[in-house]
Amino acid sequence: GAGVSQSPSNKVTEKGKDVELRCDPISGHTALYWYRQSLGQGLEFLIYFQGNSAPDKSGLPSDRFSAERTGGSVSTLTIQRTQQEDSAVYLCASSVSMDGIGNTIYFGEGSWLTVV
Amino acid sequence: KQEVTQIPAALSVPEGENLVLNCSFTDSAIYNLQWFRQDPGKGLTSLLLIQSSQREQTSGRLNASLDKSSGRSTLYIAASQPGDSATYLCAVRRETSGSRLTFGEGTQLTVNP
Repeated sequence: GAGVSQSPSNKVTEKGKDVELRCDPISGHTALYWYRQSLGQGLEFLIYFQGNSAPDKSGLPSDRFSAERTGGSVSTLTIQRTQQEDSAVYLCASSVSMDGIGNTIYFGEGSWLTVV
Repeated sequence: KQEVTQIPAALSVPEGENLVLNCSFTDSAIYNLQWFRQDPGKGLTSLLLIQSSQREQTSGRLNASLDKSSGRSTLYIAASQPGDSATYLCAVRRETSGSRLTFGEGTQLTVNP
């Protein structure tokens, strides 16, 4: 597609349930990123993919968080046993190059997660 | 540890004014710096990307400068319009952190008609 596409755009879930957030990057972009933006806070890096591998997943806040990417395209961020502190906007981004260092990063509209 | 600071946190100006947003970073070993805008309830829109070897980038009414050695960047907006109202974020990519961006807290800009 023309831009980074994320789904769902909004999700309300009960505490303890699992959620999956999907990201479809810009076609041809090999680098994919997940960030989190909590209310009143800045953007927090979660994980980075180069192709299907994740050379940097140091930002995942706990082992309840995991992510995968298949076919060098779509990525899924999974949060198990959700907690109220997981409520945030989850932003996906992509960039074109293999190393991702020198290129513009394009963000999606985000998935707004509310845990009740 | 890289820290990115944006001043002011909020700014309100009348339409037509020229304005400057500031971004400072503590670690000058960066690959590049990128400016974004975020509208309420929306994702981030990339405005300008400045590589570490560059001094400035321009796009329409926007001009971003980078002084890597002093750890500063400015975003200049000429002839501001109400449609420029948004939160402006700067982010740096450090040489030692590979792929990740470190973001500032943002400047919330309001342009009054």
